[in-house]
Amino acid sequence: DGGITQSPKYLFRKEGQNVTLSCEQNLNHDAMYWYRQDPGQGLRLIYYSQIVNDFQKGDIAEGYSVSREKKESFPLTVTSAQKNPTAFYLCASTFGTGGGQPQHFGDGTRLSIL
Amino acid sequence: RKEVEQDPGPFNVPEGATVAFNCTYSNSASQSFFWYRQDCRKEPKLLMSVYSSGNEDGRFTAQLNRASQYISLLIRDSKLSDSATYLCVVNTGFQKLVFGTGTRLLVSP
Repeated sequence: DGGITQSPKYLFRKEGQNVTLSCEQNLNHDAMYWYRQDPGQGLRLIYYSQIVNDFQKGDIAEGYSVSREKKESFPLTVTSAQKNPTAFYLCASTFGTGGGQPQHFGDGTRLSIL
Repeated sequence: RKEVEQDPGPFNVPEGATVAFNCTYSNSASQSFFWYRQDCRKEPKLLMSVYSSGNEDGRFTAQLNRASQYISLLIRDSKLSDSATYLCVVNTGFQKLVFGTGTRLLVSP
């Protein structure tokens, strides 16, 4: 089955630690996105990538980094500079790069601070 | 003004009722509109795209009013399984989607 796979489902971060969230898709989608969702709030865009080896900052990129070395993969690193990382992280992808297509989501990673 | 605004609800309705949600957007250049459904602690899932002429999918009807810059979602014959948060999503023309904070629907027996 085609889809978007995020791992792990739950992740705990210690103070000063970097952690990496995985996102893999086998839909042959061009664009991939990372969002953060806090309780009672909408999704906020962290980073997005429309093509391999290229990515752009979203609205809340500070404290995060990404890479896009393969079309299928778009990992997100939450660095120690992100002081409030506890949230629900969602990866999405879409066919094409024009923005007119709906995005399809993985089932998310819940990150908490130890 | 927020780019996409929704009434957070909750909307409490009995089974079988008809319920409607509105969503307003601020960017008049927006071209693409969607409704997503999100269950508690789950990822959003596409419910339907919203077309200029309006569109229907079973019990769900979506409308777009460009002049007043809002989209709507109508759910007829509500089921218990319709209980969820409904997210209004707008493409703002910069190859990004903007998500509303959602409207919560609770359908009771």
